[in-house]
Amino acid sequence: EDQVTQSPEALRLQEGESSSLNCSYTVSGLRGLFWYRQDPGKGPEFLFTLYSAGEEKEKERLKATLTKKESFLHITAPKPEDSATYLCAVRRDSGYALNFGKGTSLLVTP
Amino acid sequence: DAGITQSPRHKVTETGTPVTLRCHQTENHRYMYWYRQDPGHGLRLIHYSYGVKDTDKGEVSDGYSVSRSKTEDFLLTLESATSSQTSVYFCAISETSRGVVDTQYFGPGTRLTVL
Repeated sequence: EDQVTQSPEALRLQEGESSSLNCSYTVSGLRGLFWYRQDPGKGPEFLFTLYSAGEEKEKERLKATLTKKESFLHITAPKPEDSATYLCAVRRDSGYALNFGKGTSLLVTP
Repeated sequence: DAGITQSPRHKVTETGTPVTLRCHQTENHRYMYWYRQDPGHGLRLIHYSYGVKDTDKGEVSDGYSVSRSKTEDFLLTLESATSSQTSVYFCAISETSRGVVDTQYFGPGTRLTVL
């Protein structure tokens, strides 16, 4: 059975304090690992798709990396506007659905 | 924005009443999905559609039905709402890229409360 586990559940950072969020997964035939950002009361907003181990993608202060067992979302010098819940999801090669983790709630304080 | 609207955005209803949620897209994407999001569970797939009149069940489909008569609209119906269906419902769309079903983009959500 596919499993996606995100850690930590919650993370509090000071502005400028870099850190990483983890997404560990087990899936039969990975056909994409996805990172989303979700603000309270809104739908998930797409950030990155990673397809194969070793792949990395960056966007502003965020960088996503992928290995055969886990993905990291690195946040460099975060700002308060980076506060949100970050969701990780995987898709297996035989389906359309995304299997989501429960998310990491990030709070960045000034 | 991904060109997805959901209606209504908020709804309060009573147990046993039928409820229909609508998802409308302007992107002409082939694939559409309905998810529910509950505390402690994350997002879970209810039903999805891979074309007009082509739908299939997801992980948590019991008590839900869907219909897609036009590319742009995907309806989710709760035939007889129960309190366990109180949740936030998200619609998503995707298309294929180089033969692979690509990234899903999400709508703003519908908050449903069943009393």
